[in-house]
Amino acid sequence: DAKTTQPPSMDCAEGRAANLPCNHSTISGNEYVYWYRQIHSQGPQYIIHGLKNNETNEMASLIITEDRKSSTLILPHATLRDTAVYYCIVSVGYGNKLVFGAGTILRVKS
Amino acid sequence: NAGVTQTPKFQVLKTGQSMTLQCAQDMNHEYMSWYRQDPGMGLRLIHYSVGAGITDQGEVPNGYNVSRSTTEDFPLRLLSAAPSQTSVYFCASSYGNLRNEKLFFGSGTQLSVL
Repeated sequence: DAKTTQPPSMDCAEGRAANLPCNHSTISGNEYVYWYRQIHSQGPQYIIHGLKNNETNEMASLIITEDRKSSTLILPHATLRDTAVYYCIVSVGYGNKLVFGAGTILRVKS
Repeated sequence: NAGVTQTPKFQVLKTGQSMTLQCAQDMNHEYMSWYRQDPGMGLRLIHYSVGAGITDQGEVPNGYNVSRSTTEDFPLRLLSAAPSQTSVYFCASSYGNLRNEKLFFGSGTQLSVL
């Protein structure tokens, strides 16, 4: 599976959009990009995933560059409850075999 | 639906003791797996199962055993606990065998081995 690079931490003002970047320059054509988050010490929560098209759901949007070497997770209106560790994962493996790195700590501040 | 249920939430063991961490899901998911998370680190895959009767090793399987006799349950056994196994353990499940499946996680078991 391709390796990902994320900033260790980011701050965002409450009500503003949070844009979390992820680099995956060695991604191969059949690898998906997944995003999960972990609030405090709870179990991780699925956010969104995509292959090459941009994706949007009720939680977030995922923007994947045309060359697929990087992506951005967008939380459109961040709230204090969005403070969490966000994991970007690239994998050709099946859902159960995802490898979680250190992630990005997002702090939403009022 | 309760989702993925893990018991116990907290456990303290002495070195050499054995115990079983329980995991059950009520979503009729074929895939189940166990992860461990050490402080300040991401999750690492211990073992996983693609269906009843089928298990395989993940990234860090040493010191752990699993079995899958039913679709619902996937217990993780520590045969002889060691301080290095102090960690938070998460069980996860997903519906099927496709690469676009999403994982559902339990709330975790915090294990301390003294």
